[in-house]
Amino acid sequence: SQTIHQWPATLVQPVGSPLSLECTVEGTSNPNLYWYRQAAGRGLQLLFYSVGIGQISSEVPQNLSASRPQDRQFILSSKKLLLSDSGFYLCAWSLWGQNTEAFFGQGTRLTVV
Amino acid sequence: AQSVAQPEDQVKVAEGNPLTVKCTYSVSGNPYLFWYVQYPNRGLQFLLKYITGDNLVKGSYGFEAEFNKSQTSFHLKKPSALVSDSALYFCAVRDLRGAGSYQLTFGKGTKLSVIP
Repeated sequence: SQTIHQWPATLVQPVGSPLSLECTVEGTSNPNLYWYRQAAGRGLQLLFYSVGIGQISSEVPQNLSASRPQDRQFILSSKKLLLSDSGFYLCAWSLWGQNTEAFFGQGTRLTVV
Repeated sequence: AQSVAQPEDQVKVAEGNPLTVKCTYSVSGNPYLFWYVQYPNRGLQFLLKYITGDNLVKGSYGFEAEFNKSQTSFHLKKPSALVSDSALYFCAVRDLRGAGSYQLTFGKGTKLSVIP
């Protein structure tokens, strides 16, 4: 069966520090991968998605970047965090296709202080 | 672009009563609709989806959803609510984006509170 791992679960970082959140998927090949941000426990905003190794699409301009160095690994990064980067970050994967559901990791609570 | 709307920020229901969480959609072409649940500080869990076929879709934990094309709605339902159903519920639609990929676009969520 497929599983998705996301870490760390919580993170407190000072303003201006770098960020690296990692997500890995097991049990499937060539998944579509996603990073979402959830602010204030509500709506989800799609930040990045990837349909293959090295292929990253950004949904919104921001202080963050994403990379996919391996088929089942997706990394969210920042060189210098801002206070506004605080939030709950969710990684997800799906198979290709319009009728497929996405499966989410447990999330990372990021607090920038 | 495809979109979904959840008109209620919060729904309260007594334990044992039926519950409904509302969702309306706006799509061009065939709708592919999904429901997810989120417990505090956790990721989203998939409940069910509508692709085609029967308008009543059955999912996890006793939930079901009714697809209504004429009303462009996809309401989530459960015959008898449990306190443990208290959570945040999201409706979502598949949306075609760049590179030929389909992304999930979510509603703003509805907080369900089941009162003992």
